[in-house]
Amino acid sequence: KNEVEQSPQNLTAQEGEFITINCSYSVGISALHWLQQHPGGGIVSLFMLSSGKKKHGRLIATINIQEKHSSLHITASHPRDSAVYICAVTYAGGTSYGKLTFGQGTILTVHP
Amino acid sequence: KAGVTQTPRYLIKTRGQQVTLSCSPISGHRSVSWYQQTPGQGLQFLFEYFSETQRNKGNFPGRFSGRQFSNSRSEMNVSTLELGDSALYLCASSLDIHYGYTFGSGTRLTVV
Repeated sequence: KNEVEQSPQNLTAQEGEFITINCSYSVGISALHWLQQHPGGGIVSLFMLSSGKKKHGRLIATINIQEKHSSLHITASHPRDSAVYICAVTYAGGTSYGKLTFGQGTILTVHP
Repeated sequence: KAGVTQTPRYLIKTRGQQVTLSCSPISGHRSVSWYQQTPGQGLQFLFEYFSETQRNKGNFPGRFSGRQFSNSRSEMNVSTLELGDSALYLCASSLDIHYGYTFGSGTRLTVV
């Protein structure tokens, strides 16, 4: 079982729909990251969270530390949002240096 | 400001050869971490360097090695290449563990 679980693995939406991607992790963390990867491979860091909620444009990320769960929301989705969204965590302590542990990713396709 | 630069972008090598990949971090970032992405295993942590010292290492064989120079540029080396080493290799730079990561575009290595 992966330490970081994402759902759904695949998501198809129509332009304008509200989208939610979920991430659960099994042990305490120091931070959770939401990443976006487009075809071609480059990864963009969207959010880094240790508590609460962050918003950037149409993207909102929330985290519930007690429940070990985070969500990424996309409001008014657009075809350019089509990408793979990856949840990753860093654990506390010296062994965490630079080490991201990744979920398996959610493939999002938004149709016009 | 310039992003994280990885060279080369694409590489084809023969089984048994060795390869060196380069990563130039964002100016001022002293932490560089490396990741391997394959369709079967997803994204996995290789190692992390900070101020020329390896602080953390993932679960990869000794054929995978790296180093960091005084200007924070980092290289990773894979010796005795195997077909299974074909992957996208990504590096990310950061000020340190409590800060977010900026990823490079990756080097796509194909071993034939």
